[in-house]
Amino acid sequence: EAAVTQSPRNKVTVTGGNVTLSCRQTNSHNYMYWYRQDTGHGLRLIHYSYGAGNLQIGDVPDGYKATRTTQEDFFLLLELASPSQTSLYFCASSDAGNYAEQFFGPGTRLTVL
Amino acid sequence: GQQVQQSPASLVLQEGENAELQCNFSTSLNSMQWFYQRPGGSLVSLFYNPSGTKHSGRLTSTTVIKERRSSLHISSSQTTDSGTYLCASSWQLIFGSGTQLTVMP
Repeated sequence: EAAVTQSPRNKVTVTGGNVTLSCRQTNSHNYMYWYRQDTGHGLRLIHYSYGAGNLQIGDVPDGYKATRTTQEDFFLLLELASPSQTSLYFCASSDAGNYAEQFFGPGTRLTVL
Repeated sequence: GQQVQQSPASLVLQEGENAELQCNFSTSLNSMQWFYQRPGGSLVSLFYNPSGTKHSGRLTSTTVIKERRSSLHISSSQTTDSGTYLCASSWQLIFGSGTQLTVMP
């Protein structure tokens, strides 16, 4: 049983559209993360959270909001999607924030036309 | 902040050959993960290895904290090893740009 799941797996939207990416983890982990991956780059951290109701800014937060509704669920929101946000998005979870191993979901491929 | 340099950027092998992938870090190393990314994009965690040497089948990861580097050794490569290998460090996982490995039959 996959411990970190993401939905949708693929999404196409238009410029200015509203998109929500969902992530659920069943690891009972406190920390959850959203990353994006673009060609020529490794993954880059967008937002992360260390518990329900908490949100921390990552390295590339512009244009993104996020919300952690429960320990299990972490959402990434693009309220006015732009073509520059076309990317592969990964969610991850870890037991602790300090140098703990992170476990990744399968990714969501987002295309903004 | 932490920067991660991976080398080589790409590597082509004949099946059966060995591969050595390297990661070098700009600041002190305190967390280290190696990932394999399938051609379709999904990530497979290979090693969580903050220090020392770990083995898994044909794979060996060695992290030397004092030298701020980590390596991934693949022995007797197979065509199914083809894909992108990523290393990452720091608790927020600063990623390298990856090594694209192609193993020819």
